[in-house]
Amino acid sequence: QKEVEQDPGPLSVPEGAIVSLNCTYSNSAFQYFMWYRQYSRKGPELLMYTYSSGNKEDGRFTAQVDKSSKYISLFIRDSQPSDSATYLCAMSAWRGGADGLTFGKGTHLIIQP
Amino acid sequence: KAGVTQTPRYLIKTRGQQVTLSCSPISGHRSVSWYQQTPGQGLQFLFEYFSETQRNKGNFPGRFSGRQFSNSRSEMNVSTLELGDSALYLCASSPGQANEQFFGPGTRLTVL
Repeated sequence: QKEVEQDPGPLSVPEGAIVSLNCTYSNSAFQYFMWYRQYSRKGPELLMYTYSSGNKEDGRFTAQVDKSSKYISLFIRDSQPSDSATYLCAMSAWRGGADGLTFGKGTHLIIQP
Repeated sequence: KAGVTQTPRYLIKTRGQQVTLSCSPISGHRSVSWYQQTPGQGLQFLFEYFSETQRNKGNFPGRFSGRQFSNSRSEMNVSTLELGDSALYLCASSPGQANEQFFGPGTRLTVL
């Protein structure tokens, strides 16, 4: 079992829909959770950063962490064609990033105009 | 504020050669991490430097090495290149006190 599991997709939804992206993990030491967006041939762009369990909202994006279930989610409201990209979840046990981030393999999201 | 920059952006090498990649972090960031991204394995952590010291290393062979300079710029070196080293190499910088890591555009290495 890999440390972080993420459905690779592709996930195709119509413009304006609510998108739900998810990751599960096995390492209970993970405390810091991130979502990155990566466009083709670009580096990952940090979207959301959360610590421990709970919700965090930023504009159209909401991140949820449920440590008891080892499950994290990213919701995108009012999805736009420009949201079409690969979404990567990442997590870490240590504050400061010294242990490196453990990534899911990414979900390829397609927003249809 | 300028983002993370990486040079070169593209590189073609042959098996057995060595290569050096460069990364300039965001101004004020003291932590630099390196990752390898391949279609099969995804993003994998190589190593992390903070104030010129390697704090942690991922599960890669000793052919992969790095260093950080006093101005926080970092270099990564891969010796005796193998075909499987073909990948996008990403550098990320962080202030060092939090886990938010900001990635550069990457260097795409092709080994022939």
